[in-house]
Amino acid sequence: GNSVTQMEGPVTLSEEAFLTINCTYTATGYPSLFWYVQYPGEGLQLLLKATKADDKGSNKGFEATYRKETTSFHLEKGSVQVSDSAVYFCALSDTGGFKTIFGAGTRLFVKA
Amino acid sequence: EAGVAQSPRYKIIEKRQSVAFWCNPISGHATLYWYQQILGQGPKLLIQFQNNGVVDDSQLPKDRFSAERLKGVDSTLKIQPAKLEDSAVYLCASSLDSLEQFFGPGTRLTVL
Repeated sequence: GNSVTQMEGPVTLSEEAFLTINCTYTATGYPSLFWYVQYPGEGLQLLLKATKADDKGSNKGFEATYRKETTSFHLEKGSVQVSDSAVYFCALSDTGGFKTIFGAGTRLFVKA
Repeated sequence: EAGVAQSPRYKIIEKRQSVAFWCNPISGHATLYWYQQILGQGPKLLIQFQNNGVVDDSQLPKDRFSAERLKGVDSTLKIQPAKLEDSAVYLCASSLDSLEQFFGPGTRLTVL
């Protein structure tokens, strides 16, 4: 069946450092890929998405590119801020938006 | 625009008792999801509704869990009887396009 694997945390960075959180997936067909974020004390919210191969999702300075050849959807940001401290979840849905699967989450701490 | 509402926010019960959670999705969202999130893990999809019909309940433990969505709007998730391993946060989400999901604040269940 489908699955999502993301790097374990926590990840601790200094402000303005470069961020990469790795996410790989296994799926049949052509899934849609997502990054969701959960800030402290808040609910899950969509950060960005990509629905087909080579699509790049971007939002709030974060980017991720749907790489079918490597089955990856790594999250990147060029310069993190303290306010980016949160838990980040990689997820996929199959064609039609069914059977959504989330990764285990990666906690990010950004120090001033 | 009002977000996804859930109640109660917290619930503590003894094992073998019953419990019910309520969700009111964003107005006009046809798709509604219930997830179980155990501490330290990503959300796990329990059931997905399209209007008032079930489109996926493959991971719902049907011997003890049940869910319904009356008139394609509000939904309830019930556990009867509860087990210790049911301790988790139960998340409700809704979607207009089956791509972006909007999550409620969750109900934290503790089974003693």
